[in-house]
Amino acid sequence: ETGVTQTPRHLVMGMTNKKSLKCEQHLGHNAMYWYKQSAKKPLELMFVYSLEERVENNSVPSRFSPECPNSSHLFLHLHTLQPEDSALYLCASSQFKGATFFGQGTRLTVV
Amino acid sequence: DQQVKQNSPSLSVQEGRISILNCDYTNSMFDYFLWYKKYPAEGPTFLISISSIKDKNEDGRFTVFLNKSAKHLSLHIVPSQPGDSAVYFCAASFGSNDYKLSFGAGTTVTVRA
Repeated sequence: ETGVTQTPRHLVMGMTNKKSLKCEQHLGHNAMYWYKQSAKKPLELMFVYSLEERVENNSVPSRFSPECPNSSHLFLHLHTLQPEDSALYLCASSQFKGATFFGQGTRLTVV
Repeated sequence: DQQVKQNSPSLSVQEGRISILNCDYTNSMFDYFLWYKKYPAEGPTFLISISSIKDKNEDGRFTVFLNKSAKHLSLHIVPSQPGDSAVYFCAASFGSNDYKLSFGAGTTVTVRA
């Protein structure tokens, strides 16, 4: 079992759908993140939660809505997405000033 | 504005030889640097890190070198193995924003048999 688990691994959704991505970390870390990786681009930080409080929101459109109910779980709620939102969405966690560990990602396709 | 740059998009190396990956950064506030390895359709895997108080860190076949005056770091893999074929990302963070990693665009390494 990996330290950071994401579900689902693949998701295809229509532009009018609502879906959620789930992330769980088993490492006892106190910070969790959502990153986006589009083709041939660097990883883009979307949201950061530290001790369950959101500390960073990198100008992400409101059609992406994060939720962190506790220090081990993180969700990304999706609604009315656009085709250009198709990407690999990565969840990650870290301890303060430690290495960030990533989940395997959700490959999202918006049709 | 990209603060971490990996100027070589790809690198091809023969099995058993050394792979050298380079990374440059522009923000002199960065004090913690990391390398990640990524296979297709998977999340990045942490490889090795270095704090700005050091100039070298070694872990098995992987060694990271940091040159603060040049704002440059490199990752050496020796000997290179076929399983090392992947995309390698350099990342950096600093101080109170240590949760916020800035990533380079990645270098694709291909190890030839």
